[in-house]
Amino acid sequence: ETGVTQSPTHLIKTRGQQVTLRCSSQSGHNTVSWYQQALGQGPQFIFQYYREEENGRGNFPPRFSGLQFPNYSSELNVNALELDDSALYLCASSFRTGNSNQPQHFGDGTRLSIL
Amino acid sequence: EDQVTQSPEALRLQEGESSSLNCSYTVSGLRGLFWYRQDPGKGPEFLFTLYSAGEEKEKERLKATLTKKESFLHITAPKPEDSATYLCAVQLTGSNQGGKLIFGQGTELSVKP
Repeated sequence: ETGVTQSPTHLIKTRGQQVTLRCSSQSGHNTVSWYQQALGQGPQFIFQYYREEENGRGNFPPRFSGLQFPNYSSELNVNALELDDSALYLCASSFRTGNSNQPQHFGDGTRLSIL
Repeated sequence: EDQVTQSPEALRLQEGESSSLNCSYTVSGLRGLFWYRQDPGKGPEFLFTLYSAGEEKEKERLKATLTKKESFLHITAPKPEDSATYLCAVQLTGSNQGGKLIFGQGTELSVKP
């Protein structure tokens, strides 16, 4: 069973740039969620994708956007990067059917640094 | 406002010294409570899901319990390899929640030999 994989592992950008982070979900999973984790804090929910559509969003501005592809992989795009966007970005996948709440399984994240 | 608070923020134990981590929650409706373990530089690793008050789950030296207001993660006779940050998260009821997890800030556990 292949787990959740994320790329790249580390990334350095400057303010105002745009970035795309990628995630391959665990085999058998159909839902992908993205989280932002600042140093010393718990992860914060950005949004979730199910059936290639956004299905719930946290308190993040529209410059945070995403996609889910037919193979259930996903991208997180962040435009107009700000210094406060420096964080670990985590992707989590799960299997959803109806209202079931299967646990989310996380990748090891992308460490994004904004200079 | 839905909120999850973990205590203590940091805990230092000697090998074999049992203790408990606390996760208090205030939510509009609980669908499930999740415990994760996170090692430095890694993503959270799933440990347990609890759905209703009174439920208990065990895995090796770890035991998770749930009441209507809080959850405890009991660590019995810990070993140095149990050192990690333990995260608690809740998932809310309601179709507009999108399956999001609300995390606490974590408890950093250090077990010394």
